[in-house]
Amino acid sequence: DGGITQSPKYLFRKEGQNVTLSCEQNLNHDAMYWYRQDPGQGLRLIYYSQIVNDFQKGDIAEGYSVSREKKESFPLTVTSAQKNPTAFYLCASIPATGANQPQHFGDGTRLSIL
Amino acid sequence: GENVEQHPSTLSVQEGDSAVIKCTYSDSASNYFPWYKQELGKGPQLIIDIRSNVGEKKDQRIAVTLNKTAKHFSLHITETQPEDSAVYFCAASRNGGFKTIFGAGTRLFVKA
Repeated sequence: DGGITQSPKYLFRKEGQNVTLSCEQNLNHDAMYWYRQDPGQGLRLIYYSQIVNDFQKGDIAEGYSVSREKKESFPLTVTSAQKNPTAFYLCASIPATGANQPQHFGDGTRLSIL
Repeated sequence: GENVEQHPSTLSVQEGDSAVIKCTYSDSASNYFPWYKQELGKGPQLIIDIRSNVGEKKDQRIAVTLNKTAKHFSLHITETQPEDSAVYFCAASRNGGFKTIFGAGTRLFVKA
């Protein structure tokens, strides 16, 4: 079955450490997204990518970085510059931007500080 | 900027009753309105969506209504069941846009 796989499900970060969250999709979708979810705040956009080797900042990109070297992969790095990284991180994809279609989500990674 | 407001933040109903969740959007160019259900520890999943050329859409116990003039849309769940307990998100987007704007979510509890 096609879908989005996020790993790991739980991740712990030490002070000053960078950590990378994995997102892989086999839906052949062009566009991929990273969201941060905090209680009572809905989903906030961190980064998105419309096509391989291209990505754009979302509303809360500071302290995060991404890459899009392959169509199926869009990893998110939470850097030490992100002072409040504890949250639930969701990756999503759609066939292409510009045409209104629902987003397909992975099951998330919960990041906590040690 | 673009915004979607969602109410209530928490909703508790008795099994068999109806539940209504309301959203208001600010971008008048929005023309696509999906609703997602998120269960604990999972990612959101689409349950129903509506486009701006229709005013209502129904799928079994779930229906969505859209009032473009007032810029609000609502989710109606009838004959609620305990498995309907989850967090529900409304969202809005527009043709040519890259972004989907999400509401803050409604936590629905269905008491058996």
